[in-house]
Amino acid sequence: DQQVKQNSPSLSVQEGRISILNCDYTNSMFDYFLWYKKYPAEGPTFLISISSIKDKNEDGRFTVFLNKSAKHLSLHIVPSQPGDSAVYFCAASFGNEKLTFGTGTRLTIIP
Amino acid sequence: IAGITQAPTSQILAAGRRMTLRCTQDMRHNAMYWYRQDLGLGLRLIHYSNTAGTTGKGEVPDGYSVSRANTDDFPLTLASAVPSQTSVYFCASSVSPTGTDTQYFGPGTRLTVL
Repeated sequence: DQQVKQNSPSLSVQEGRISILNCDYTNSMFDYFLWYKKYPAEGPTFLISISSIKDKNEDGRFTVFLNKSAKHLSLHIVPSQPGDSAVYFCAASFGNEKLTFGTGTRLTIIP
Repeated sequence: IAGITQAPTSQILAAGRRMTLRCTQDMRHNAMYWYRQDLGLGLRLIHYSNTAGTTGKGEVPDGYSVSRANTDDFPLTLASAVPSQTSVYFCASSVSPTGTDTQYFGPGTRLTVL
């Protein structure tokens, strides 16, 4: 049972435009959410996070939005750059529980 | 600072063989983790260790064992490898074992079991 789902396995976006990556979760206990970015042949690296007490967190070109009622979060990248091409994983946790990762979305930025 | 190192980078293994994947961190992090990444399934937790001397089972622990004799090392052992264990394995660490703490990942080991 996949508690954290990324329904789009891949996404292609023109350079300079906005990239929107989506993530849905089923466990209403989750109260902390993270995005990790992974390049080929490398391990994932932390990108941005958000606590359930907020509905938006911004860090430079990256913004994460959380809609608790819909159990949905999204990552916006504006403007998209070629170096943003990677696989993006969302992850969720609550209390002392370990992270639950989503299935990943491969983002390709087209020059 | 190296962060987290994993060895080997890749390995082809005959089914039934024993294999140990090595993981070492130099950040003095308390918690360490082993994940496997499979297409369409994302990252799944195999085993974890909240602190040296303790280990716990993750989502997919069957067929794997771990030990945490000291802070730095967290080896993952496949006692008798099977083809379904073909995957990319990532080791990670964090300062604390809570889900809110950033995890730092190694570069991964690509394992093929024939």
